[in-house]
Amino acid sequence: GAVVSQHPSWVICKSGTSVKIECRSLDFQATTMFWYRQFPKQSLMLMATSNEGSKATYEQGVEKDKFLINHASLTLSTLTVTSAHPEDSSFYICSARAQPRSGANVLTFGAGSRLTVL
Amino acid sequence: GIQVEQSPPDLILQEGANSTLRCNFSDSVNNLQWFHQNPWGQLINLFYIPSGTKQNGRLSATTVATERYSLLYISSSQTTDSGVYFCAGSSNDYKLSFGAGTTVTVRA
Repeated sequence: GAVVSQHPSWVICKSGTSVKIECRSLDFQATTMFWYRQFPKQSLMLMATSNEGSKATYEQGVEKDKFLINHASLTLSTLTVTSAHPEDSSFYICSARAQPRSGANVLTFGAGSRLTVL
Repeated sequence: GIQVEQSPPDLILQEGANSTLRCNFSDSVNNLQWFHQNPWGQLINLFYIPSGTKQNGRLSATTVATERYSLLYISSSQTTDSGVYFCAGSSNDYKLSFGAGTTVTVRA
């Protein structure tokens, strides 16, 4: 089945530094990937839609200069948290759409990246 | 975006019991998925079910698209079924909106 890989699975950084998270579709091409954020005991909130070869589209309230998204190839999207602060500590999850032969548009999720900003 | 309401928020079961989780949507969806989030945070796709009924082992799901709701059934629950169950839906843009989740605890 479709597999989405995220790296790193967890990262601890100092306040003010930038952190890059990678999301790869391993066995399929994904023109569109999605980035979600999940705070403890809460649901997943969509942050942005990553489009291969073009600018990402951000959900309302998400700072595009804070969360830089690059989707340079059909199998890789990156999320960079710039000048991270403790309030950016969260679980970041990416997903990609794979189209099996049935035509169903199932979204497959990566294992997530847990960011802790000290 | 689509609003998703899940119920109940918490569910405590004795091993072997059956249960039903419900998901209501504010608008029509053409993509509906049920997930189980394990303790490490990984979202496991259980069902892609914009309509109809599907079964996978002890789990089954039914979506009544015209009435904008979906049900997830867990039969003969086991302790390994514990975790958070999410439903999520989208209309035409594949941007899944998630419900708040149902936390299931199965006791031995």
